[in-house]
Amino acid sequence: GAVVSQHPSRVICKSGTSVKIECRSLDFQATTMFWYRQFPKQSLMLMATSNEGSKATYEQGVEKDKFLINHASLTLSTLTVTSAHPEDSSFYICSARDGQGIGELFFGEGSRLTVL
Amino acid sequence: QKEVEQNSGPLSVPEGAIASLNCTYSDRGSQSFFWYRQYSGKSPELIMFIYSNGDKEDGRFTAQLNKASQYVSLLIRDSQPSDSATYLCAVRVAAGNKLTFGGGTRVLVKP
Repeated sequence: GAVVSQHPSRVICKSGTSVKIECRSLDFQATTMFWYRQFPKQSLMLMATSNEGSKATYEQGVEKDKFLINHASLTLSTLTVTSAHPEDSSFYICSARDGQGIGELFFGEGSRLTVL
Repeated sequence: QKEVEQNSGPLSVPEGAIASLNCTYSDRGSQSFFWYRQYSGKSPELIMFIYSNGDKEDGRFTAQLNKASQYVSLLIRDSQPSDSATYLCAVRVAAGNKLTFGGGTRVLVKP
C-alpha cells in the first residue's frame, strides 16, 4: 500500500507554544489529506480536510485559528497547533488517499503531543 | 444515532477461535467499507475493504457486507494473540472523500 510519513512521532512542549506536525505522502501524490485526533480509548475524530493549493475544510467544532493547516504541495501537509494548552494533548494522525485506489486511507505513524 | 456504530468490547476469544465483529451504519448512500486494525499507541492500518454485498476473504479475514440491513462484519479465523487490537470500521459515502469511523471494537485473544 501507499506510504504516508508523519513527523515528529512525539513532542512535548510548554503551554502557550506552537507545534508543527508534518505529513508526507512518500510514493504517491495526495491532493487531499486528512487530519485526525484521537484521545485515549476513543475513536478517530476528523479535524479537517487538507486540500492542496486551497484552504482546509474544518469539521464542526474545530477552531481553524488554533489548528492551522497548510497543504503547499502534493506530497506535504502540515498541522500547526498554535498556543497549545494541556487539553490539546492528544494523538494526531494524518492520512491520505491514493487516487489510484478505491478510496482507502493510508495513515501516517501519528504524532503524540503532550502539552505541559 | 451515530453514523457508524460498533460494540466497544472487549471481545475476548480463545486462541484458534473465530472472532466476529459487527458494524452498522446509518447512511444508505454509503458505498465503500473498510476495516482497520489499530494497536495501542499506533496508527490504524488497513486490513480489508469491501463494496459489494456478500463475502470477501483475504487470508484469515473475511468481510461481509449487507447493504439492505446496513451492516458490515469482520471475521477473524484462527485468532492469534497478535490479533489483539482495536478494530475500526470505516464508511465512505459515494460523493465524499472522507471516511467516517466507528468507535472501534477491542479484541483480546487469549492463549
